[in-house]
Amino acid sequence: AQKITQTQPGMFVQEKEAVTLDCTYDTSDQSYGLFWYKQPSSGEMIFLIYQGSYDEQNATEGRYSLNFQKARKSANLVISASQLGDSAMYFCAMRENPLGSARQLTFGSGTQLTVLP
Amino acid sequence: DTEVTQTPKHLVMGMTNKKSLKCEQHMGHRAMYWYKQKAKKPPELMFVYSYEKLSINESVPSRFSPECPNSSLLNLHLHALQPEDSALYLCASSQLPSEIREETQYFGPGTRLLVL
Repeated sequence: AQKITQTQPGMFVQEKEAVTLDCTYDTSDQSYGLFWYKQPSSGEMIFLIYQGSYDEQNATEGRYSLNFQKARKSANLVISASQLGDSAMYFCAMRENPLGSARQLTFGSGTQLTVLP
Repeated sequence: DTEVTQTPKHLVMGMTNKKSLKCEQHMGHRAMYWYKQKAKKPPELMFVYSYEKLSINESVPSRFSPECPNSSLLNLHLHALQPEDSALYLCASSQLPSEIREETQYFGPGTRLLVL
């Protein structure tokens, strides 16, 4: 079974508008972390935002915020005031295995976001 | 500074060649990772090093050979690759769980490999 599900293969948004990228996850761990990465066509994976399972407040980083609904196991990324440079593939990822010496990330299948002028 | 560097940016090699990919970080991270990524797919974990020791090998064929000479460097030695090995190879690094709460993985720009 997929641990991270991103149901939107592609999304379009008008410049300056807000957009929400969906992510649901599945884990039986109490301690886990959720990450969002941006990957432009150049290939680099750029870290955007992190949410820990015990964090009571939703994470925010500039124009990025994470809508964390623990009971629903969802961690949606909200991008406010979209810019043309936001056009990229966006991956949701989860870190599990709290007993491991280095924790593995499980990635979703990604959402290709296109910002329209 | 959250920079991870990778060289080369692009690599074309024949199936009989031997080449190496290099990754470097100076953030004091003690975990380093190699990922393989095919077009329009998520990254797939290949190897993990913790404190310069190989801790995870995701059943990667032996034609890929990782090496961690010191805490800042990670190499991936390539030999007798197949055309299906053509992909973007990403390196990442992170703190380890015992050091800080958030172990964000920071990625390098990747090496685009084409095997002919």
